[in-house]
Amino acid sequence: NAGVTQTPKFQVLKTGQSMTLQCAQDMNHEYMSWYRQDPGMGLRLIHYSVGAGITDQGEVPNGYNVSRSTTEDFPLRLLSAAPSQTSVYFCASRPQGGAGETQYFGPGTRLLVL
Amino acid sequence: GESVGLHLPTLSVQEGDNSIINCAYSNSASDYFIWYKQESGKGPQFIIDIRSNMDKRQGQRVTVLLNKTVKHLSLQIAATQPGDSAVYFCADFNNAGNMLTFGGGTRLMVKP
Repeated sequence: NAGVTQTPKFQVLKTGQSMTLQCAQDMNHEYMSWYRQDPGMGLRLIHYSVGAGITDQGEVPNGYNVSRSTTEDFPLRLLSAAPSQTSVYFCASRPQGGAGETQYFGPGTRLLVL
Repeated sequence: GESVGLHLPTLSVQEGDNSIINCAYSNSASDYFIWYKQESGKGPQFIIDIRSNMDKRQGQRVTVLLNKTVKHLSLQIAATQPGDSAVYFCADFNNAGNMLTFGGGTRLMVKP
């Protein structure tokens, strides 16, 4: 198993540009989520999905869209990037009802918005 | 080691000493708590967890204590090693809301 993979590892955007952060998992996990981590802070939940076709908002959803067309993939879209979205983004997956040691995080995508 | 709260972001300990990292949570409905370790440039890694019907749980060199009365969680690391240097986060899970909420993190630095 590759676990949770994220691409790209690093991205620089100009204000107003759009991009999609990719996340994939090969563990057949129902639950997937996106977090952002700002310097010196904990992770904050952006969006999550409890299964294919189902998504919901987390703590900080504004400026981000998600979709879940397959169990494996959960892309995060920035439609019009803003400097406030400069952060490190982590994708995570776990089985439905699981958490803790059954939740896996990807390696992160560092995003810089100029 | 010395106790610190999340308002003090760095804990520096001597190799071999015990470390204690503290965390306060606010959600009374949380029924599951997790400690994560995050090394530089990596995603969080699970260390240990505890359910709200317990007040103590031990792992290998780590112990988590839960005080529901004051909504306080602590992570104790015995015989701290250089490889323990990282940022440590507590997180609480609200099963009803299906959400994991992270605290602000404490950086642990281990001096050789």
